[in-house]
Amino acid sequence: AQSVTQLGSHVSVSEGALVLLRCNYSSSVPPYLFWYVQYPNQGLQLLLKYTSAATLVKGINGFEAEFKKSETSFHLTKPSAHMSDAAEYFCAVSEDNQGGKLIFGQGTELSVKP
Amino acid sequence: EPEVTQTPSHQVTQMGQEVILRCVPISNHLYFYWYRQILGQKVEFLVSFYNNEISEKSEIFDDQFSVERPDGSNFTLKIRSTKLEDSAMYFCASSGLVQKETQYFGPGTRLLVL
Repeated sequence: AQSVTQLGSHVSVSEGALVLLRCNYSSSVPPYLFWYVQYPNQGLQLLLKYTSAATLVKGINGFEAEFKKSETSFHLTKPSAHMSDAAEYFCAVSEDNQGGKLIFGQGTELSVKP
Repeated sequence: EPEVTQTPSHQVTQMGQEVILRCVPISNHLYFYWYRQILGQKVEFLVSFYNNEISEKSEIFDDQFSVERPDGSNFTLKIRSTKLEDSAMYFCASSGLVQKETQYFGPGTRLLVL
């Protein structure tokens, strides 16, 4: 069965500092992996996705994530945090590319201090 | 840019009442989903729908729940007799024939059952 674990329910960084949000998954088949962002009182916006092409994936707003099969990880990073990055971030996995369900992690709330 | 829309944004109902949550998926998408997020918890899959029938449903999606695509644009989730524990944010999502694995989410409907 698929599962997603996000280490750290809350992460706080200073503006300009590196952002690192951790995601580990378990899957019996090569997975499709996603990061979504949820701003306060809004829906889920797709940040980036891994679908078995390049292992380093670039997304919107300067975020990127690296798929590491040996570590079953898909951590999200951004070199320099901006105040507008404050939001909740969800990692998700799908086991197929045939319209199957997404399994979400519990989310990580990112705070950015001035 | 095409987007998924949902109505209403907020709904308050009495326990035992029926509610219908409405979604308009992206126009050329063929795969439709409902997820829910209870306050403070992770996003959970409810049901997926393709070709006018349910593809997959979770344990949460019991006989009190139903989905329908009444016309070429709307996709609805009905809860027949709401319970207090149905209070949550409900998200609709859709994906296309190409890149079926990439789901685009609506802004959600916040349901409060009193």
